[in-house]
Amino acid sequence: EAQVTQNPRYLITVTGKKLTVTCSQNMNHEYMSWYRQDPGLGLRQIYYSMNVEVTDKGDVPEGYKVSRKEKRNFPLILESPSPNQTSLYFCASSLWTDRSGANVLTFGAGSRLTVL
Amino acid sequence: GENVEQHPSTLSVQEGDSAVIKCTYSDSASNYFPWYKQELGKGPQLIIDIRSNVGEKKDQRIAVTLNKTAKHFSLHITETQPEDSAVYFCAASTPKGYNKLIFGAGTRLAVHP
Repeated sequence: EAQVTQNPRYLITVTGKKLTVTCSQNMNHEYMSWYRQDPGLGLRQIYYSMNVEVTDKGDVPEGYKVSRKEKRNFPLILESPSPNQTSLYFCASSLWTDRSGANVLTFGAGSRLTVL
Repeated sequence: GENVEQHPSTLSVQEGDSAVIKCTYSDSASNYFPWYKQELGKGPQLIIDIRSNVGEKKDQRIAVTLNKTAKHFSLHITETQPEDSAVYFCAASTPKGYNKLIFGAGTRLAVHP
């Protein structure tokens, strides 16, 4: 089944304790991205990657890091989590080579993170 | 910067009624407008999309209309059913080299039997 898999689905941690949220896709997609979802703010892009070893900041990158060493994986790293990073996180991927303008995203099921 | 406004934030309808969600975008260069449905505990899923060279698109009970002059687009759901209850997000692309999507804040639709 074509899908984007995120882990963990739920995590409660404490301020300053480094954590990684993994994301893997099995569709051979070039483009991958991380979003955070907060009430009243919709989905905001954190980081994105056009291909292996190519990453760039989205709209809210502060406090996050990413890496893209393999095409299928795109982990999100919080080096020193803070309470304002408590949120619902989504990884997404797409075969963005549709240069006509469509960026059809496939989302993971989400990771709910609480930072105390 | 680019912005997408979505209204209403919540919508409650009776089963069988129609539901309309409206979005306005700021970037006149936007050329792709998808709608995503997020069910409880799941990630958003594409339900319909429209490109800038088309004014309307239908898929069974759902339709999307686009007014490029006014820079707004709408999702129409007819004959609503309880399984239509979800959060709906509109989005607009910005031609920033990779067609980044800017999402609206979401609309929580509740369909009551």
